[in-house]
Amino acid sequence: DIQMTQSPPSLSASVGDRVTITCRASQSISSSLNWYQQKPGKAPKLLMYGASSLQSGVPSRFSGSGSGTDFTLTITSLQPEDFATYYCQQSYTTPPAFGPGTKVEIK
Amino acid sequence: QVQLQQSGPGLVKPSETLSLTCSVSDGSIRNYYWSWIRQSPGKGLEWIGYIYHSGTSSYNPSLKSRVTMSVDTSKNQFSLRLSSVTAADTAMYYCARQVVVPATPSYNWFDPWGQGTLVTVSS
Repeated sequence: DIQMTQSPPSLSASVGDRVTITCRASQSISSSLNWYQQKPGKAPKLLMYGASSLQSGVPSRFSGSGSGTDFTLTITSLQPEDFATYYCQQSYTTPPAFGPGTKVEIK
Repeated sequence: QVQLQQSGPGLVKPSETLSLTCSVSDGSIRNYYWSWIRQSPGKGLEWIGYIYHSGTSSYNPSLKSRVTMSVDTSKNQFSLRLSSVTAADTAMYYCARQVVVPATPSYNWFDPWGQGTLVTVSS
């Protein structure tokens, strides 16, 4: 099975900051990588699919990049509603696997 | 906009069978894959498996021996059964639509998700 890791596990940032979260796969997954946002008490919400495609309705301050084993999610100009936990997920092979998450907290 | 509504008990006794149902509204259950995913503090987000409207299914090898999924297209519902549960199966369980794009490499993602059901395994 493919294993996913994320860094950092958590970060503190201020409104307006640029934030970058990294996801790494244990083997190449091409661009079969998705990102989700989860707020406390809520289900995860799809942000990006195919590494860099923005899901409909998601603000353009979110962007994704990468291919192979290394991927990033970037939030330009962090907004108050962006404080949440972010998960990456590979869809290259079955079973699909999620990263452990990165919690973005208010500084 | 498809919506998923979960139902089922939040408390299951050890060795018994966990049963959850997900109802699909504002859209058809046909022509999509429907997944169950669970989340626990210890194991994070874990894909349990999917079922297609035709009844074709795929399960996570780690749970395969205990999982059964079914679909009822007449009711626009799909269900999960997990047998012989232990405390390790205590988790938040989510249903989700698994959108699959026929391509090479494989592209698929989970959207939308149900509201979640916290299932506790305890006597």
